[in-house]
Amino acid sequence: QVQLQESGPQLVKPSETLSLTCAVSGFSITSGFYWGWMRQTPGKGLEWIGRVYHSGRTSYTPSLNSRLGISVDTSKNQFSLRLTSVTAADSALYFCTRSPTSCGPDCYSYYFDYWGPGIRVTVSS
Amino acid sequence: DIQMTQSPSTLSASVGDRVTITCRASQSVSTWVAWYQQKPEKAPKLLIYKASSLERGVPPRFSGSGSGTEFTLTISSLQPDDFATYYCQEYKSYSSTFGQGTKVDI
Repeated sequence: QVQLQESGPQLVKPSETLSLTCAVSGFSITSGFYWGWMRQTPGKGLEWIGRVYHSGRTSYTPSLNSRLGISVDTSKNQFSLRLTSVTAADSALYFCTRSPTSCGPDCYSYYFDYWGPGIRVTVSS
Repeated sequence: DIQMTQSPSTLSASVGDRVTITCRASQSVSTWVAWYQQKPEKAPKLLIYKASSLERGVPPRFSGSGSGTEFTLTISSLQPDDFATYYCQEYKSYSSTFGQGTKVDI
């Protein structure tokens, strides 16, 4: 059974770096899916952050591209998120996700078939 | 960016009711639409992908339809476990966007 579990600090100071890790169990991270991050806030709803393939190839949402890094550690079967220079606007419920890689010739993103339970991160001094 | 507009925002229903939620895209997304169910402080759960394909393990009372710009999620006979918020997602565009959600309550 595929399970994803987020971990990391739940309180981050403004201007610092938010770092989260997603541990994957029941499935090998090298088995051909995308692994990514979503966040949810009352104001903006569900927002795609980015994804990584086991090769290390990444895709990021343009609005966060300059502050974002997503990496994969295949030896630990986990992947990570780093978001630099955070502000209160980055406070959210963060989810890690899995996405199938197949899509048609005219689609450029993916749906999410597995999600972690989520971790609430607050940016505050 | 593609906008996904769900209606209604809130829906009051009873056990056994047939429920339909609509999602309209601001431009054509072909059939690249998924639907999710979310309960408070839980992760969304995938119900439908590619507009009408039922995810494994999801009860057949859930169904999806549509193409282009108009999509529907139907629950044929509402069960107590179905009271939740439902979201549509388009995944045609690079950044993918979600609707604002439809809360189904009693």
